[in-house]
Amino acid sequence: QKEVEQDPGPLSVPEGAIVSLNCTYSNSAFQYFMWYRQYSRKGPELLMYTYSSGNKEDGRFTAQVDKSSKYISLFIRDSQPSDSATYLCAMSVQGGSEKLVFGKGTKLTVNP
Amino acid sequence: DAGVTQSPTHLIKTRGQQVTLRCSPKSGHDTVSWYQQALGQGPQFIFQYYEEEERQRGNFPDRFSGHQFPNYSSELNVNALLLGDSALYLCASSSGTTKNIQYFGAGTRLSVL
Repeated sequence: QKEVEQDPGPLSVPEGAIVSLNCTYSNSAFQYFMWYRQYSRKGPELLMYTYSSGNKEDGRFTAQVDKSSKYISLFIRDSQPSDSATYLCAMSVQGGSEKLVFGKGTKLTVNP
Repeated sequence: DAGVTQSPTHLIKTRGQQVTLRCSPKSGHDTVSWYQQALGQGPQFIFQYYEEEERQRGNFPDRFSGHQFPNYSSELNVNALLLGDSALYLCASSSGTTKNIQYFGAGTRLSVL
């Protein structure tokens, strides 16, 4: 079993839709949970990060962490064509090993 | 405020050759991590440098080595290139107090023929 599992999609939605992206993980020591957006042939851009459990909101984006279920989500409201990209979840433990462990990424297309 | 910068953007090498990739961290950051991203995959951790020393290493052979300079910039060296080394190589920087929060550069795309 991989440490981080992410459905690679692809996911195609109409403009204005609510998008839900998810990852599951197996390592209960993970404390930092990140979402990155990666446009084609570019580096990952940090969208949001959460420490431990709970929700975090930033504009149209909401990140949720459920440590009891080892499940994290990213919601995008009022999706725009400019949101079309690959979304990567990443996680790390606190202290000692700060390497990021990534999912495979979900490719999202928002159609105008 | 300059973000993480990497050079070159693209490299083409042949099997057996050696390559050096360079990274300058974001202003105020002192820690550099390197990742390899194969096509259609998430990035894989290679190693991390802090205070000019390798602090952690992922599951990569000794052909992959690195260095960090006093100005916090870093190099990734790969010897005896294999076809399977073709990938996007990403550098990420972070600060000493929050190493988990990492910011990435645009990457160097390496093609091994």
